[in-house]
Amino acid sequence: DAGITQSPRHKVTETGTPVTLRCHQTENHRYMYWYRQDPGHGLRLIHYSYGVKDTDKGEVSDGYSVSRSKTEDFLLTLESATSSQTSVYFCAIRLRDKNTEAFFGQGTRLTVV
Amino acid sequence: AQSVTQLGSHVSVSEGALVLLRCNYSSSVPPYLFWYVQYPNQGLQLLLKYTSAATLVKGINGFEAEFKKSETSFHLTKPSAHMSDAAEYFCAVSDQAGNQFYFGTGTSLTVIP
Repeated sequence: DAGITQSPRHKVTETGTPVTLRCHQTENHRYMYWYRQDPGHGLRLIHYSYGVKDTDKGEVSDGYSVSRSKTEDFLLTLESATSSQTSVYFCAIRLRDKNTEAFFGQGTRLTVV
Repeated sequence: AQSVTQLGSHVSVSEGALVLLRCNYSSSVPPYLFWYVQYPNQGLQLLLKYTSAATLVKGINGFEAEFKKSETSFHLTKPSAHMSDAAEYFCAVSDQAGNQFYFGTGTSLTVIP
């Protein structure tokens, strides 16, 4: 593993409740990403960060917010969870250079009932 | 925006047969391309990457991929499939700014004994 820890690994929550997923890295990488993985869609980018307090939207950002107050932590918040947000969420980290690969966490399986 | 297309969401091969997984990219300039593998209930692991140094790229576990600019392709191959190769495979491209990773929808590889 590349020093990435996602928590929790599994969560079941009710519709309408807020949920926060945490990604923690020990690599001091600049870039951090949140993806969701759904059958038939591959991985879709939700939000990413290119530094402390520097974040930007990905292709499926509606209903999600993020925060990065420290280099090592990137939080993903579902303000009011919906069943369509049931998914597996992956965090990834990456060095600054554009030709470098991303390293992935083990994923968080979120079920919204 | 960059994108990748993976033809064939499911591929089945016999053990010992050639593995060919297809990936085409859309870009007006040569991108940075990656292949990842995902085993069940795990995160993504890098197989190989193309960063313009060489068109034929060798990766882990006997996989290789060839970058063909004229065909805008980056197909993944392995001469002889092994049972342990059964997994989901994702092609990914980095945008020129290096901020984002875009993934294909994935190809599930089944290896038949």
